[in-house]
Amino acid sequence: SQKIEQNSEALNIQEGKTATLTCNYTNYSPAYLQWYRQDPGRGPVFLLLIRENEKEKRKERLKVTFDTTLKQSLFHITASQPADSATYLCAWGGYSTLTFGKGTMLLVSP
Amino acid sequence: DTEVTQTPKHLVMGMTNKKSLKCEQHMGHRAMYWYKQKAKKPPELMFVYSYEKLSINESVPSRFSPECPNSSLLNLHLHALQPEDSALYLCASSQDGGPGANVLTFGAGSRLTVL
Repeated sequence: SQKIEQNSEALNIQEGKTATLTCNYTNYSPAYLQWYRQDPGRGPVFLLLIRENEKEKRKERLKVTFDTTLKQSLFHITASQPADSATYLCAWGGYSTLTFGKGTMLLVSP
Repeated sequence: DTEVTQTPKHLVMGMTNKKSLKCEQHMGHRAMYWYKQKAKKPPELMFVYSYEKLSINESVPSRFSPECPNSSLLNLHLHALQPEDSALYLCASSQDGGPGANVLTFGAGSRLTVL
């Protein structure tokens, strides 16, 4: 069965640096991957979606890539700020369902 | 502010109680979902209502029962819960529940504690 893996539980970086989070999948390539941000005790908030046939998507300081050869999606936050500190979840979509990875907790220090 | 409203925000109940979580959306979405999330774990899908059809995660125990009075409302009825059911319960909606890129809009969640 398909699995989504976010190998890093936590990532600490300094303000102003680029944060790079990884999402790997096993087996077949999903038609699309989504990235969400979740703050403690709150619901996830959608950030970006990338389709299998797209290499890269951007939104302001956010960038997502999709590499079907490596079976991997990378999520980048450039010029990171302490306000970017949160848990970031990647998700794989099936029919009527969305399956989430475990998430990576990002901490941006001033 | 989220466009999916969940009430109550916090709920404490005993194992013999019957309570309900409520969820409402006014975005005209045709699919609604209940997810359960334990601390430091990803959200896990419990139920999907899509075009008036219910899909169930078969691992969800029968002490949880969803109800969809109309396309804007989704309730989760709770009965005879166990302490391990304590979690954050998240409601979400999407434009439709069919194949394709379903972007979910989540509510703020209902924090449930079972004593």
